[in-house]
Amino acid sequence: EVQLVQSGAEVKKPGESLKISCKGSGYSFTSYWIGWVRQMPGKGLEWMGIIYPGDSDTRYSPSFQGQVTISADKSISTAYLQWSSLKASDTAMYYCARLGEMATISHIDYWGQGTLVTVSS
Amino acid sequence: QLVLTQSPSASASLGASVKLTCTLSSGHSSYAIAWHQQQPEKGPRYLMKLNSDGSHSKGDGIPDRFSGSSSGAERYLTISSLQSEDEADYYCQTWGTVVFGGGTKLTVL
Repeated sequence: EVQLVQSGAEVKKPGESLKISCKGSGYSFTSYWIGWVRQMPGKGLEWMGIIYPGDSDTRYSPSFQGQVTISADKSISTAYLQWSSLKASDTAMYYCARLGEMATISHIDYWGQGTLVTVSS
Repeated sequence: QLVLTQSPSASASLGASVKLTCTLSSGHSSYAIAWHQQQPEKGPRYLMKLNSDGSHSKGDGIPDRFSGSSSGAERYLTISSLQSEDEADYYCQTWGTVVFGGGTKLTVL
């Protein structure tokens, strides 16, 4: 069974750093792209970027380029999303998602359960 | 630029059918999409991948009440025999450069 299990909710202050995780299981982690999606309170889904864990090829949405860093550790089947300096506007739910065709940027077929990030002074 | 357009809201009665639409921007009418459901206070769930010829493949455990079809640049999600748990936000998604539609909020009356 394919599963994406994300790390727990975080409460941070503006200016702090943060790294959240997404652990994949039940499939070949290195063979499928993994993406990150933001959902701000009461809003729709926004694509942030994707990574291919097999070779760490990473692509960012222009809206998020330079704002976050996406990485992966294939030895532990885990993808990461990190911020170096959080802002209040980063408050949102963040989902990881698997792209459903091997080695191909395609449709999402599995979602993580989400990680709520709250940034407040 | 690749854009997906969805109506913000839709409604239908319990037990009826509803057809939601996702429209691909000009020049992208051959693209496949995926449909995702997000029930209130829950994470998204993958429903199906829908090709330009109307063929589709559903995710694990998705009921037969959910089906997809295509016409030109339009991609449709039809939900029949509506149930209360179908009340949710529905998003379409495509790729190449990954894009989401704005979502349609479905109300079951």
